Amino acid sequence: EAGVTQFPSHSVIEKGQTVTLRCDPISGHDNLYWYRRVMGKEIKFLLHFVKESKQDESGMPNNRFLAERTGGTYSTLKVQPAELEDSGVYFCASSQVWHNEQFFGPGTRLTVL
Amino acid sequence: SQQGEEDPQALSIQEGENATMNCSYKTSINNLQWYRQNSGRGLVHLILIRSNEREKHSGRLRVTLDTSKKSSSLLITASRAADTASYFCATVPSGNTPLVFGKGTRLSVIA
Repeated sequence: EAGVTQFPSHSVIEKGQTVTLRCDPISGHDNLYWYRRVMGKEIKFLLHFVKESKQDESGMPNNRFLAERTGGTYSTLKVQPAELEDSGVYFCASSQVWHNEQFFGPGTRLTVL
Repeated sequence: SQQGEEDPQALSIQEGENATMNCSYKTSINNLQWYRQNSGRGLVHLILIRSNEREKHSGRLRVTLDTSKKSSSLLITASRAADTASYFCATVPSGNTPLVFGKGTRLSVIA
């Protein structure tokens, strides 16, 4: 069984540009989560999808971040326009049951110059 | 504010020794989970302990939970060089709230 995959693995962009991150969860997992780790700080929750619906987006930092999960399969996280403080590693995770074991992808390292 | 906080921040031991990491949290929880992250990789779920459980084992891992002290510990016995990684505790607070991670403990096991 394939695990959670994320694309790209690394992205380097300039301030003001747009970047779109993609996450493919484990097949059959209705729950999909986005997290972010800024260097030296803890991993922070961004949002949670159940199928195609946003269950909780309380962690989204501001309206420059837009997450979608059309069709309830893969998800995208768009940052537009990117700022320096958006740099960090963005993790995606999926699970069958909410609040139980989550399966994480390898993360996308975003660097905003 | 930060829910989970691991202690120590970094730990270096010899292969074969036991490693103990602690986690403290602030609010009531549904469950507490431990994850491992190898450098440059994603997080791997190790073990989940529910709020009504006090101890759980999985292979060389032993997790305890003390809800009165709002703390948990992860013990890795007979450590191996391959155990070198960052270890995170993550709490699921009571109610419909998301997983909250601590900053992690960086474990180095020297062969």
